[in-house]
Amino acid sequence: DAKTTQPNSMESNEEEPVHLPCNHSTISGTDYIHWYRQLPSQGPEYVIHGLTSNVNNRMASLAIAEDRKSSTLILHRATLRDAAVYYCILRGNTGTASKLTFGTGTRLQVTL
Amino acid sequence: DTEVTQTPKHLVMGMTNKKSLKCEQHMGHRAMYWYKQKAKKPPELMFVYSYEKLSINESVPSRFSPECPNSSLLNLHLHALQPEDSALYLCASSSQRGGDGELFFGEGSRLTVL
Repeated sequence: DAKTTQPNSMESNEEEPVHLPCNHSTISGTDYIHWYRQLPSQGPEYVIHGLTSNVNNRMASLAIAEDRKSSTLILHRATLRDAAVYYCILRGNTGTASKLTFGTGTRLQVTL
Repeated sequence: DTEVTQTPKHLVMGMTNKKSLKCEQHMGHRAMYWYKQKAKKPPELMFVYSYEKLSINESVPSRFSPECPNSSLLNLHLHALQPEDSALYLCASSSQRGGDGELFFGEGSRLTVL
């Protein structure tokens, strides 16, 4: 399984932008970069995913490095409800490579 | 409807009991997943079903027996569990098995084995 590396924890002030980094130096050409988050006492929630180009949706933006060896999840204005564990996951296209395997993630704390 | 519904939300069982966890989705998704999550740990994949056929079993002990009776329903049958099997069991579905598909997760069934 291709691995990702994320900081264990990060802090942000409310209404400030948050940049959550992820390194994935062994990414293969067909791996998609997925981000999920898990709020306390809830199941994981899909945030965003991409392959090569930067992606935007209503929740966040995903910036992918040109060599695809790293990516950054951007929350444009953090709120208290964004406090969660954020997981960066590589997902291949076929067979066992398409498994969604969670790493340890980044615990984001948001303060007033 | 973008929900994955899991029942029961909480289950307490003895080591000799037989029980089942149920997962339902009506999004037309053909891939369904079981994950296990211990406290303060990331979810761990257990099983993947694709078009109602088991495609991935992550070497899960046979006391956990998955079943996919139709495209909307996924069960996890539990028998002779151990206290260390106490965990949150998460079900998920996706429209496709490939990397371009996102997973939709249920809220989980919290299992306690006495």
